[in-house]
Amino acid sequence: DGGITQSPKYLFRKEGQNVTLSCEQNLNHDAMYWYRQDPGQGLRLIYYSQIVNDFQKGDIAEGYSVSREKKESFPLTVTSAQKNPTAFYLCASSQWGGQNSNQPQHFGDGTRLSIL
Amino acid sequence: RKEVEQDPGPFNVPEGATVAFNCTYSNSASQSFFWYRQDCRKEPKLLMSVYSSGNEDGRFTAQLNRASQYISLLIRDSKLSDSATYLCAVNPSSGGSYIPTFGRGTSLIVHP
Repeated sequence: DGGITQSPKYLFRKEGQNVTLSCEQNLNHDAMYWYRQDPGQGLRLIYYSQIVNDFQKGDIAEGYSVSREKKESFPLTVTSAQKNPTAFYLCASSQWGGQNSNQPQHFGDGTRLSIL
Repeated sequence: RKEVEQDPGPFNVPEGATVAFNCTYSNSASQSFFWYRQDCRKEPKLLMSVYSSGNEDGRFTAQLNRASQYISLLIRDSKLSDSATYLCAVNPSSGGSYIPTFGRGTSLIVHP
């Protein structure tokens, strides 16, 4: 089955600790995205990547970092600089641009991050 | 004005009712439109794309009104299982950015 896999499902972070959320897709999509969702709120874009070895900041990139070394993988690191990391983190992928810009995003099942 | 706006609701309807949600967007050059369903504490799942001529999938009908810059989702014969939050997403036109913008969602509660 093609899809997006996020892990872990639940993650707890201690003060001052960096944690990394995994996102893997086998849909052969060019673009991958990370969103943050707080209770009762919409999706806020953290980072996105159109192509391997390239990524761009979204609306709320401060305190986060990403890498895109492989097409299938787009891990997100929540650094200690992110003072309010408790949220639901969603990874998504889609085809990118041109005639593909009418393609929807597909989401992983999310990671819930909490502070210990 | 926000780029994509939805009435957060909740819309509280009895089983069997017909309910409609709108989603307005500010970028007149927006190219493609989608409705997603999000259950509590779950990821958004694509419900349907919205085509210019309107489209239907079972009890669900999606329409696009470019002149007034909104899309709509109509649910007929509501089921208890339709209770969820419905998010709209708008993809911009070309011009360098293909990042979709999501509305904050409309909450639907279907009661017996």
